[in-house]
Amino acid sequence: DAGVIQSPRHEVTEMGQEVTLRCKPISGHDYLFWYRQTMMRGLELLIYFNNNVPIDDSGMPEDRFSAKMPNASFSTLKIQPSEPRDSAVYFCASRTTETSGNTIYFGEGSWLTVV
Amino acid sequence: QKEVEQDPGPLSVPEGAIVSLNCTYSNSAFQYFMWYRQYSRKGPELLMYTYSSGNKEDGRFTAQVDKSSKYISLFIRDSQPSDSATYLCAFMDTGRRALTFGSGTRLQVQP
Repeated sequence: DAGVIQSPRHEVTEMGQEVTLRCKPISGHDYLFWYRQTMMRGLELLIYFNNNVPIDDSGMPEDRFSAKMPNASFSTLKIQPSEPRDSAVYFCASRTTETSGNTIYFGEGSWLTVV
Repeated sequence: QKEVEQDPGPLSVPEGAIVSLNCTYSNSAFQYFMWYRQYSRKGPELLMYTYSSGNKEDGRFTAQVDKSSKYISLFIRDSQPSDSATYLCAFMDTGRRALTFGSGTRLQVQP
C-alpha cells in the first residue's frame, strides 16, 4: 500500500496568502485526521472525519482554517489568510475500523513556512 | 493540568543502555495506550499498542501500563543508534476516535 500521501511536502508562502494542503488517505480507511505539530505545542488534532463527514473540528484554531473531504480518497486543509504563526508541520493520518486495533497511519507531513 | 504529561528530554544514552520513557495522563476515559516513534522530518509511526494494565513485550521494546496510577512507560533494551528518534506517547478514549499525544521525548543513542 502507498500509505497516506500528502502534498506539498514543503511550502513557503507570504503572510496573507492562501495555503491549501492536500491528503490522500490509505484506500479503504474510513477515518481521516489532520494534525499540526510545532515545537511549542507538540502534535495537536485539528479536525477529523468519519466517512467523509467532519466529526470534531474543535481543534481548528480559528475561522481562517477550513477542511473538506469531498470523497473518500481526498481531503484538503485550507488556511486563508495565512499568518507567520501558522508555520508548522501539518500531518494527515487515516485509520480503518474494519480490522482490530486502533492504528492510525500518518503521512510524511507538509512543512509550512509563512514569512 | 495538561491531559498528558511526558518527560521532555532530550535523553542521551550510550549504545546498549536500557532506556525508560514515561507519560502520565489525567483522562480516565483513555482506554488505548500507544507509543509512536518519529524520526527526524518523518511522520510518526506506531511502535507499541496496548489496552490493558500490565506489560507487553515486542523484541527489545516493552510497554507498561498502570491504569490505577494513570502512568505508562516504554522500555528499550540494548538500545541502538537506530533508536535515535522522538518517542510520543498517545492515548485514545472509547468515544473519540482520535489520538491525544504527549509532547514527545527526544532520544539520542550514542555509538
